[in-house]
Amino acid sequence: GNSVTQMEGPVTLSEEAFLTINCTYTATGYPSLFWYVQYPGEGLQLLLKATKADDKGSNKGFEATYRKETTSFHLEKGSVQVSDSAVYFCAHTNTGGFKTIFGAGTRLFVKA
Amino acid sequence: DAGVIQSPRHEVTEMGQEVTLRCKPISGHDYLFWYRQTMMRGLELLIYFNNNVPIDDSGMPEDRFSAKMPNASFSTLKIQPSEPRDSAVYFCASSLAGTGNGYTFGSGTRLTVV
Repeated sequence: GNSVTQMEGPVTLSEEAFLTINCTYTATGYPSLFWYVQYPGEGLQLLLKATKADDKGSNKGFEATYRKETTSFHLEKGSVQVSDSAVYFCAHTNTGGFKTIFGAGTRLFVKA
Repeated sequence: DAGVIQSPRHEVTEMGQEVTLRCKPISGHDYLFWYRQTMMRGLELLIYFNNNVPIDDSGMPEDRFSAKMPNASFSTLKIQPSEPRDSAVYFCASSLAGTGNGYTFGSGTRLTVV
């Protein structure tokens, strides 16, 4: 069935460190892939997306590339800031494009 | 657009009382979703609507939960009677199918049942 698996957290990094959060998915067809971010006390916000194989989504210094051959969509950032501390959710849409399957979320702590 | 608007932001109620959570989706969006988030279970999809019609309510935990969408700009999630284990943050999200733009979430309602 459709699912999303992402690395367990929490992930703790020092400011300016390199970030990778792994995400793999199972899906039928060609889903769109997303990363959402949830800051404390807020709802999830769309961070970036990719709609087809080899597409790279990017926003606020974060990037992720749609890898169909490995069914992965890993999130990366070259230099994290304290303000990046949040929970990150990997997700994909179903074939119809209207229902999103979310991963369990990965909590990131960035220390000054 | 002001985004997805949920009310109230916080609700504290006594066990056995009825609770109603409200959501105003983004104008023009044709899908509306209700989620529940807890530390133990993470993000759970409760129910979703397409053009105001409930499509899948298999995530609704039990008959004490009900949801309605009387028109395109308003939805409610009701719990009657409420129990302490219902304490969670409830999110509403809306989307426009086929755009690939993902969901827009509201800020959530933090429900505490004592």
